[in-house]
Amino acid sequence: GAVVSQHPSRVICKSGTSVKIECRSLDFQATTMFWYRQFPKQSLMLMATSNEGSKATYEQGVEKDKFLINHASLTLSTLTVTSAHPEDSSFYICSARHHRGISGANVLTFGAGSRLTVL
Amino acid sequence: QKEVEQDPGPLSVPEGAIVSLNCTYSNSAFQYFMWYRQYSRKGPELLMYTYSSGNKEDGRFTAQVDKSSKYISLFIRDSQPSDSATYLCAMRAFNAGGTSYGKLTFGQGTILTVHP
Repeated sequence: GAVVSQHPSRVICKSGTSVKIECRSLDFQATTMFWYRQFPKQSLMLMATSNEGSKATYEQGVEKDKFLINHASLTLSTLTVTSAHPEDSSFYICSARHHRGISGANVLTFGAGSRLTVL
Repeated sequence: QKEVEQDPGPLSVPEGAIVSLNCTYSNSAFQYFMWYRQYSRKGPELLMYTYSSGNKEDGRFTAQVDKSSKYISLFIRDSQPSDSATYLCAMRAFNAGGTSYGKLTFGQGTILTVHP
């Protein structure tokens, strides 16, 4: 089955530093990946759509200069949280679309998530 | 009003019980419906996917969609302690563009505990 690998799983950083999170599709090519944010006991909120070879599309209210997304290849997208502050502490999850089975369904496979704690 | 409403629970059941999880939605444009399972500190894992009204069965899991009532359900038969997780419903509208697939609207998630 399709696997999406996300790294690191946990990161703790000081306020003001930048943190990079990687998302890789291991056994399929993903022209489009998606970045979500999840607060404790809350649902997933789409932050941005990462497009291979072009600029990311951000959802309303998401600061593109704070959350830099790069999709340099068909298997890798990165999210960089710049000048991180405690309010950026959250669970960040990436996902990628792939074609599944004979039903023709296109579904999302999620990474395991990255828990960011900003001190 | 949220587009997707899901009772967060928590829901606690004994092993072997039938579990019923539900979501209601208000956007009639939603055409595709999914259920994800999320273990603590992990990413969501797709359980069921359906795009039409009716029932879809996969092992111990049955997904039910009633578009006329804007109501979807997930039933778990013979529940096991390993089913303990947060269950998220998700849905999206039809859009031929590839970038729409990530625009899922999620429910809040229901925390389920199956105790031995």
